[in-house]
This record gives sequence, structure tokens and C-alpha cells, in this order.
Amino acid sequence: GAVVSQHPSRVICKSGTSVKIECRSLDFQATTMFWYRQFPKQSLMLMATSNEGSKATYEQGVEKDKFLINHASLTLSTLTVTSAHPEDSSFYICSARSPAGGNTEAFFGQGTRLTVV
Amino acid sequence: GENVGLHLPTLSVQEGDNSIINCAYSNSASDYFIWYKQESGKGPQFIIDIRSNMDKRQGQRVTVLLNKTVKHLSLQIAATQPGDSAVYFCAEDLYNQGGKLIFGQGTELSVKP
Repeated sequence: GAVVSQHPSRVICKSGTSVKIECRSLDFQATTMFWYRQFPKQSLMLMATSNEGSKATYEQGVEKDKFLINHASLTLSTLTVTSAHPEDSSFYICSARSPAGGNTEAFFGQGTRLTVV
Repeated sequence: GENVGLHLPTLSVQEGDNSIINCAYSNSASDYFIWYKQESGKGPQFIIDIRSNMDKRQGQRVTVLLNKTVKHLSLQIAATQPGDSAVYFCAEDLYNQGGKLIFGQGTELSVKP
């Protein structure tokens, strides 16, 4: 099946700094990727839809200025957590569909564990 | 709808027994559902899917049942094995609304050897 890769898998950062998480589709082009956040013992919550070449679409309650999404190419989307605080500590997961759009399987990255200290 | 802030219910079964994991959804217009398995520290993994024109679908050791009347899904795992221990989520696949997935609450399955 198609592969979606996230990097880094784990990151620890100091409060107030910014962290960038990369999501790559390795063997297919993804015009749309999705970013989810998951707190311990909870479900995945969709944060935003990342659209190649255009602005991301954020879900209600997600601060677009805090969670910057860039989808500069058909194989790469990045999520930058700006001015991170301990409450941003979470598991961040991206997904992409192959081929883009339509009724096709969604593939997930392995997730990034962010710890803000 | 989304299930943010709710903690996962747990299900503990003996190895070899059958497991039944339940899920409720809220959007009566949803017509495509997927069950995912998530192991600790990893992303979700596709298990089985079902469309709303079906009420049952079988895979290898897994069966999904869909009751549209009460907006309920279940995942049955036959002869549960220790490797089945994970968190299981149902998801509404909004493929015709941009392709996002809306995840249910999830259930943590623990298999005792």
C-alpha cells in the first residue's frame, strides 16, 4: 500500500519555541493531506485540511496562527506549532489519500509525539 | 460527530474468545465507514470498511455490522489474539466532502493470554 511518512517521530521543545513536523507521501502525489491531534487516551481530532498550493482549511476551534500549515508540493505538507506551550503536548498524525480525493483509502503517518517542557 | 475529551472505554477478553467493539455515529447522511486499529505510538491502520448499502461485511477474522436505523456500527473479531491488543476506532469517511475522516470515541482492547 501507499506510504505516508512523518518526521520527526518524537520531539521535545522548550515552551515558547516553534516546532515543525513534516508529512510526506512517499509513492504517490497527494493534493490534500489532513492533520489530526490526539491527546492521551482520546480519539483523533481533525485539525485542518492541507491543500497543495492554497491555504489550509481549519476546523472550528483550531487557531490557524498557532498551527501553521504549508503544502508546498504534491508530496509534502508541514505543520508548525508556533510558540508552543505545555498544553500543545500531544500526538500529531497526518494522512493522505491515494489518489487524491474521491473514495480511496486514507493512509496515515506514524505520528509525531510532541512534548513541550 | 467528534468525541474530543472523552476517555477511551476498555474491553478485556481472553485469548481465543470473540471480541465485539461498538461505535455510534451521529450523522445520518454518512454512507461510508471504516474501522481502524491503532497500536501504541503509531498511526491508525485500516482494518475493514462498509458502505451504507450493506449491513454486514466480513474480512479475515473480522466482521463489521452496520445498523443505520440506530446509527450504530460494531466490529467483531473472532478468536482474538494477543496481537489484536490495540485501540480500535470507527470513522465516518466524508469522501465527498473533501475526504476528511471523523473518528469515533475508540475502544481499548486488551487480550489476556
